[in-house]
Amino acid sequence: EDQVTQSPEALRLQEGESSSLNCSYTVSGLRGLFWYRQDPGKGPEFLFTLYSAGEEKEKERLKATLTKKESFLHITAPKPEDSATYLCAVRGFTSGTYKYIFGTGTRLKVLA
Amino acid sequence: NAGVTQTPKFQVLKTGQSMTLQCAQDMNHEYMSWYRQDPGMGLRLIHYSVGAGITDQGEVPNGYNVSRSTTEDFPLRLLSAAPSQTSVYFCASSRDRNSGNTIYFGEGSWLTVV
Repeated sequence: EDQVTQSPEALRLQEGESSSLNCSYTVSGLRGLFWYRQDPGKGPEFLFTLYSAGEEKEKERLKATLTKKESFLHITAPKPEDSATYLCAVRGFTSGTYKYIFGTGTRLKVLA
Repeated sequence: NAGVTQTPKFQVLKTGQSMTLQCAQDMNHEYMSWYRQDPGMGLRLIHYSVGAGITDQGEVPNGYNVSRSTTEDFPLRLLSAAPSQTSVYFCASSRDRNSGNTIYFGEGSWLTVV
């Protein structure tokens, strides 16, 4: 069964305290793993797409990595404005059909 | 920079009422979709469209209808609202379906059915 599991569900960090969010997945015919940021009352905002194991992408204090079974979103020296819910999604391809599966997200709170 | 625009932002319905959530995108995207987001669950696909005149069911289509008469617009209709349809609804679009293109989401529509 295709599924995406994110951990932890919630994370509180002090400003400057680096950490990582995890996204474990099982999917048939992976065609991309996506990270989104979602602020309260808003729609998800695209951050990264990763396509193959070993790939890495960076944006400001965020770095996403991918293995065959999981992805990590590393947050280096976070600031309060990084507080948000981070969603992971995978895009699979089976029986001629593409399918997106979303995780439930990690709620990140960065304290000043 | 409109992107994906959804209306209304908030709506309260009585059980059995019908309504339409509007969605429009100005990026000339072929692929549009509707998701619902519920506490403790990931975004779930309701319906999608790969182009004008073409729609198909997603993971949770029951109780919802869609149409795609133009590239820009993709309304979602609730036929007879039920409390189980209380949720946050997101419209999304991407350039097409056959590549790893970024999905752009609207700001969401909060629907409460009483």
